[in-house]
Amino acid sequence: EAQVTQNPRYLITVTGKKLTVTCSQNMNHEYMSWYRQDPGLGLRQIYYSMNVEVTDKGDVPEGYKVSRKEKRNFPLILESPSPNQTSLYFCASSPGDRGRWNEQFFGPGTRLTVL
Amino acid sequence: RKEVEQDPGPFNVPEGATVAFNCTYSNSASQSFFWYRQDCRKEPKLLMSVYSSGNEDGRFTAQLNRASQYISLLIRDSKLSDSATYLCVVNPMNNDMRFGAGTRLTVKP
Repeated sequence: EAQVTQNPRYLITVTGKKLTVTCSQNMNHEYMSWYRQDPGLGLRQIYYSMNVEVTDKGDVPEGYKVSRKEKRNFPLILESPSPNQTSLYFCASSPGDRGRWNEQFFGPGTRLTVL
Repeated sequence: RKEVEQDPGPFNVPEGATVAFNCTYSNSASQSFFWYRQDCRKEPKLLMSVYSSGNEDGRFTAQLNRASQYISLLIRDSKLSDSATYLCVVNPMNNDMRFGAGTRLTVKP
């Protein structure tokens, strides 16, 4: 089944404790992206990647890191989480052909709470 | 001003009603436009792309007005299953996506 998976789905942690949220897609998509969703603000892009070893900042990159060592994986790293990073996080991927590459397929989301 | 703005609703309509949502965007150079649907606590899913000439998919019609910088979504003959939040998405640059905060629709029996 074609899909984007994220782990963990739910996480409660404490300020300053480094964490990684994994994202993996099995559709051979070139483009991958991370978003956070907060009430009243909609989805905001954190980082995106056009291909392996290519990453760029989105709207709200502060406090986050990403890497793209393999095409299928795009982990999101919070080196020192803070309470304002409490949010619902979505990973998404998109095919690389220019005609359709903006259609994004989303993972199920990760609900993160930082105490 | 937000780059993409939507009326948050909620829109409460009876089954069978026609309902329309608008979305305005600020970047006149935006290239691509989409409507996504998001069910409660679930991931967004593409509903339809929005083309310059307008497009229709069953009960759903999307329109783009570049001069006034807005897109619209019309849902005819609303079903209970249409209850969801509808997200307007604009692509101002090739690698960038901007989401509206969403419009919540509830269709009642």
